[in-house]
Amino acid sequence: AQSVTQLGSHVSVSEGALVLLRCNYSSSVPPYLFWYVQYPNQGLQLLLKYTSAATLVKGINGFEAEFKKSETSFHLTKPSAHMSDAAEYFCAVMDSSYKLIFGSGTRLLVRP
Amino acid sequence: NAGVMQNPRHLVRRRGQEARLRCSPMKGHSHVYWYRQLPEEGLKFMVYLQKENIIDESGMPKERFSAEFPKEGPSILRIQQVVRGDSAAYFCASSPPPGQSPYGYTFGSGTRLTVV
Repeated sequence: AQSVTQLGSHVSVSEGALVLLRCNYSSSVPPYLFWYVQYPNQGLQLLLKYTSAATLVKGINGFEAEFKKSETSFHLTKPSAHMSDAAEYFCAVMDSSYKLIFGSGTRLLVRP
Repeated sequence: NAGVMQNPRHLVRRRGQEARLRCSPMKGHSHVYWYRQLPEEGLKFMVYLQKENIIDESGMPKERFSAEFPKEGPSILRIQQVVRGDSAAYFCASSPPPGQSPYGYTFGSGTRLTVV
C-alpha cells in the first residue's frame, strides 16, 4: 500500500532563506506524487506533480521538487522564502485506485 | 471556468442534527472525491464517486455517513446525528476520468463543520 511521510510538522526559515520540506513515499508501483499548499481556512492548491516524466519538477510560486527513486523521496524546495509562502504544505501519493494518500503536513513559518 | 464549488463554507449543527454538504465538480469532471481534515491533521480519504455510482467508500465511517453523486445536481455528503467528533473541514475534489492525463484533482475550498 502506498504511504507518505513528511518529516517535520513545523519548519521555520528566515525570509530569503532556502526552503526544504521533506517527503518520503512508499509505493509498490511507479508513483504519481504531488505537493499541495493550504493557506489558512482555504482549500488545497496544487503546487506541482510528478507523473514519471522529468525527475525535477517545477511548480508555481518558484517551488520545485526532485523525484529520487533510490531514496524514495520527493522533497520540495524553494531557493528564497517569501513571507507569502507561510502556509501548510502536503505531500501526497496517488494509489492504484486513484485516491490521494496525504502526509500529515508541514507548517512553514517565515520569519522577517 | 468555475472551479469546484462547495457549500456552505461554514456549517454549525447541534449534536444529533443532520449535516448536508454539497459539492459541484468542475465542468467536464465526472469523478468526485471527499476528504476530511480534522484539526491539526492531514486529509483523510472518505469516498470516491462518479455519477450514480460509488467507486470506493473505504474511508467512510460505517455509520451515520453517506454520500451520493446523482445524475443531475451536486454530490452530497450526508452526516446523520452529528457528534462533536464530526467537527472538521470537509473537502471535495473532482477530476476527469482516470486515464485521462494529466492526473490530479482540483479541490474546493471546503466546508467547515462545527458541532455544538
